[in-house]
Amino acid sequence: TQLLEQSPQFLSIQEGENLTVYCNSSSVFSSLQWYRQEPGEGPVLLVTVVTGGEVKKLKRLTFQFGDARKDSSLHITAAQPGDTGLYLCAGANQAGTALIFGKGTTLSVSS
Amino acid sequence: GAGVSQSPSNKVTEKGKDVELRCDPISGHTALYWYRQSLGQGLEFLIYFQGNSAPDKSGLPSDRFSAERTGGSVSTLTIQRTQQEDSAVYLCASSPTRQGWNTEAFFGQGTRLTVV
Repeated sequence: TQLLEQSPQFLSIQEGENLTVYCNSSSVFSSLQWYRQEPGEGPVLLVTVVTGGEVKKLKRLTFQFGDARKDSSLHITAAQPGDTGLYLCAGANQAGTALIFGKGTTLSVSS
Repeated sequence: GAGVSQSPSNKVTEKGKDVELRCDPISGHTALYWYRQSLGQGLEFLIYFQGNSAPDKSGLPSDRFSAERTGGSVSTLTIQRTQQEDSAVYLCASSPTRQGWNTEAFFGQGTRLTVV
C-alpha cells in the first residue's frame, strides 16, 4: 500500500520565521504534487515535482523532490499570515487512477 | 462556470436517509474524482471516472455508496441509509486528462455532510 506521511502535523509560528514541512514514503513516485487548502475551499495545486533531486521555487516557497523519488519537502522563507492553511502532498497511485494524499500539515502564521 | 461546482455546499440529514451529492466538473475535463475528507484524516479517494465509466471504484467504503456520471460531465455521489460515520466533506475534482501523472486536479469547494 502506498502511503504518504507528512510531518509535522501542526505548525504554529510567528510572521517572518522560516519553516520546512516533509512528505515521506517507502514507495517510489513518478511525481509528487503539493496542494494548499484554505478553510471551506478545495485544495489548490502549488507545484508538481517530477525529476529526482529537482528543486522548484515559487516566490518564498521552495520545493524539493528526493533523489530516490520517495520524499519531498516544502520550505517557506519569511512566513506571512497569508501562508496559513493546510499543506498537502500527493502522488499518483500505482494504477495511475488517483492521487494519494498525505494527511497534511496545518500551518498557522501569526503576525 | 469556470471552476468545479458542487452542490449542495452543506447538507444535514437524519441517520438512515439517502443523500445525493452533485458535481459539475470543468467543461471538457474527461477525468473526475470523488474524495472524502474527515478531520485529521486527509483526503480519502473514493472513485475515479474517465468519461462515463468508472475504472477505479476501489475507494468506495461500502455498498451504500455509489456514483454515476452522465454525458461525460455531471456526476452524482449517492449515499444510502446514511450513518453518522459518513459525516465528512465530500470533494470532487476534475482534470483534463487521465490522472496519475503530472496533471493538475481542480477541486470544488466540497459538500459538508452532517448525519444526525
